[in-house]
Amino acid sequence: KAGVTQTPRYLIKTRGQQVTLSCSPISGHRSVSWYQQTPGQGLQFLFEYFSETQRNKGNFPGRFSGRQFSNSRSEMNVSTLELGDSALYLCASSLVQIDEQFFGPGTRLTVL
Amino acid sequence: AQRVTQPEKLLSVFKGAPVELKCNYSYSGSPELFWYVQYSRQRLQLLLRHISRESIKGFTADLNKGETSFHLKKPFAQEEDSAMYYCALSPYNTDKLIFGTGTRLQVFP
Repeated sequence: KAGVTQTPRYLIKTRGQQVTLSCSPISGHRSVSWYQQTPGQGLQFLFEYFSETQRNKGNFPGRFSGRQFSNSRSEMNVSTLELGDSALYLCASSLVQIDEQFFGPGTRLTVL
Repeated sequence: AQRVTQPEKLLSVFKGAPVELKCNYSYSGSPELFWYVQYSRQRLQLLLRHISRESIKGFTADLNKGETSFHLKKPFAQEEDSAMYYCALSPYNTDKLIFGTGTRLQVFP
């Protein structure tokens, strides 16, 4: 069974631009969560989606948004990029809620 | 406040020595607690969760509600245990994970 995939794997943007990251969960998984990983702040929760509904949102500004499609694939968008948004963005999926989460390889975003 | 604290950034031991990676949490309620591990150049993956009460790769973790701790232990460390270990808390009925800052375990031969 294929694991969680994230595209693109690497991305370089400049301040003020916007970016969309994509996550394809394991087939059959309906829950998708997003995390930001930085050396300074560690792993921080961004969003949790289940059956196209956002169930939880982390403490991030409104520039960070996400959505989930009917096939459970998820995207997150960051608008008006700032230097501090440079991070590894991880996606995780699980079969149902409160189940083991499987992580993707991450998208490395660099903001110049 | 919901928080997970891992006081050690780095723990170095020799092969065969016992290992204890500390984790304390702050949560008003009954959380689910996990240990995730990331080996070099691999994805973050679940090592164990408290509700399963399993021993995975020789590791165990006991939830101590009185001390709000969930320390990870292994009696005899192996070189292949070298990795980054994250303790995480999931509030009731969510998939949201609140991670600690992680502890890097180095096992020397």
